[in-house]
Amino acid sequence: KQEVTQIPAALSVPEGENLVLNCSFTDSAIYNLQWFRQDPGKGLTSLLLIQSSQREQTSGRLNASLDKSSGRSTLYIAASQPGDSATYLCAVSPQYNFNKFYFGSGTKLNVKP
Amino acid sequence: DTEVTQTPKHLVMGMTNKKSLKCEQHMGHRAMYWYKQKAKKPPELMFVYSYEKLSINESVPSRFSPECPNSSLLNLHLHALQPEDSALYLCASSPDGYTEAFFGQGTRLTVV
Repeated sequence: KQEVTQIPAALSVPEGENLVLNCSFTDSAIYNLQWFRQDPGKGLTSLLLIQSSQREQTSGRLNASLDKSSGRSTLYIAASQPGDSATYLCAVSPQYNFNKFYFGSGTKLNVKP
Repeated sequence: DTEVTQTPKHLVMGMTNKKSLKCEQHMGHRAMYWYKQKAKKPPELMFVYSYEKLSINESVPSRFSPECPNSSLLNLHLHALQPEDSALYLCASSPDGYTEAFFGQGTRLTVV
């Protein structure tokens, strides 16, 4: 079974700092990987989707990379803002059953003004 | 319309009650999902519907009964729940199950 780990579990940074969130997975046979943001008590907002054939995706201040062979993805947030404070989750879908998402436990980010 | 809409937002029910959660999307997506999320934990998959047919049931207890009446609507019928079933229930949809998933805001369920 796919295991997804996110490090660190929590991160606190001053406003304006660039930061990197990490996601690792045990089975490299993935179909795609998706990064989500979740505000307290709310649903998930999709940030970026990377297909297994891609190396990275960018959206505004966000850049996600994928190294399938080593089982790693990173989410880079440039010039962080207090509004970026949330929990960030990565989810992978396996090649053998792409309809399933295996989620990591998330990184809780706090950006201090 | 790029939204997945869930109703109600909050629900309190007794252990003998029957209630239903509703999820709606008008993006033409053909895959729809139910997830359960306990506090400070990641979402856990419960059910997947693909082209209105149940394709995945993650060994969910029968007190949870999903229904997909049409391609835009997904229901979760609840009966004889336990207090430990209290959680945030999330619905999601995807164009075809291959690509990006979109989540609703969830229903916060409390079983008393």
